[in-house]
Amino acid sequence: KQEVTQIPAALSVPEGENLVLNCSFTDSAIYNLQWFRQDPGKGLTSLLLIQSSQREQTSGRLNASLDKSSGRSTLYIAASQPGDSATYLCAAPANTGNQFYFGTGTSLTVIP
Amino acid sequence: NAGVMQNPRHLVRRRGQEARLRCSPMKGHSHVYWYRQLPEEGLKFMVYLQKENIIDESGMPKERFSAEFPKEGPSILRIQQVVRGDSAAYFCASSPGRTGANVLTFGAGSRLTVL
Repeated sequence: KQEVTQIPAALSVPEGENLVLNCSFTDSAIYNLQWFRQDPGKGLTSLLLIQSSQREQTSGRLNASLDKSSGRSTLYIAASQPGDSATYLCAAPANTGNQFYFGTGTSLTVIP
Repeated sequence: NAGVMQNPRHLVRRRGQEARLRCSPMKGHSHVYWYRQLPEEGLKFMVYLQKENIIDESGMPKERFSAEFPKEGPSILRIQQVVRGDSAAYFCASSPGRTGANVLTFGAGSRLTVL
């Protein structure tokens, strides 16, 4: 069974800082890995999907990397803004492809 | 181009009542997934359905919970004889294919409170 771990559980940074969120997974036989953002009381918004053949994916100030051999992915956020404050979730698929397993998330607070 | 639509957004039930949560996937998506998020916990997979078929229900409790995705209409997650421990946010997601190769798109969730 795939297990996904995210560290740190919470992070507080001043506005403008660059930051890295970490995600590790136990089963490296994955098709892809997906990063989501969840605002309080809201649903999940997909941020980036990295296919297993890719090493990284970029969208605006976000960059996600994937290292299958070590079972790790990172989400890099450049020049953080208060609007980036949210919980960031990493999800890796089960080997059946029937579902994603989610980490418990990193709660990010960007202080103006 | 509406996203994944879930209703109701908030539902309050007394112990022993039934809760029905509905999910309409994105247009063109035929794969539906239900997840549950308990307070201060991560998202837990419940069930994966395609039209008229349950593909994987390994995450769904054996009793009181059922799900369907009929040929016409939304997917429905049904919880019978609710208990306080069922209080949670229930999220539906859809994709055009199996999650292994496709992006999951989530709805805003249905928040169930059991009194």
